[in-house]
Amino acid sequence: NAGVTQTPKFRVLKTGQSMTLLCAQDMNHEYMYWYRQDPGMGLRLIHYSVGEGTTAKGEVPDGYNVSRLKKQNFLLGLESAAPSQTSVYFCASSYHPREKLFFGSGTQLSVL
Amino acid sequence: KNQVEQSPQSLIILEGKNCTLQCNYTVSPFSNLRWYKQDTGRGPVSLTIMTFSENTKSNGRYTATLDADTKQSSLHITASQLSDSASYICVVNGGSQGNLIFGKGTKLSVKP
Repeated sequence: NAGVTQTPKFRVLKTGQSMTLLCAQDMNHEYMYWYRQDPGMGLRLIHYSVGEGTTAKGEVPDGYNVSRLKKQNFLLGLESAAPSQTSVYFCASSYHPREKLFFGSGTQLSVL
Repeated sequence: KNQVEQSPQSLIILEGKNCTLQCNYTVSPFSNLRWYKQDTGRGPVSLTIMTFSENTKSNGRYTATLDADTKQSSLHITASQLSDSASYICVVNGGSQGNLIFGKGTKLSVKP
């Protein structure tokens, strides 16, 4: 039972490069989320989706784009990476917004 | 402003001892309060979810309490084990989609 799978686990980018983080869940959850976790701060919501084909902005959406073309996948894109985007990124999913979140194991991203 | 504050920031205890972690919140409206455990290098894992009407909820050696009047919650760990070493995150759900407010976490170290 895989749960929530994130790829890649680690990535180093140069300023200005682009990349896509992939999140896949096998629990048939409608709701999916992308968070970032920085030292000394709580997790912050970047974007979320309430179902296939939908996306919405969270607390810190600038510099990121997302897509949810298939129910099981939620992609996070960085068009032009900046050092301020160095962080650990977590994908999560849930059956309902009031239900518990299931998190992936995270992606450590460094932007030089 | 919606906030979740956790204390202490870090804690060191000996194996077999009990400990209590605190969470105070100012989130409104309130839907539920969650506790997550995050092992180093991993994503958070749900321990408990409590709604307004629930005062206590247990999950094995973990017992969470909620006082919705004073907007305080605690997580009590009984007979600690080395595997309890982790960060414990308090999260309050403000009721709307994407409105999860995360605390910064308490880092617990259990020493032999």
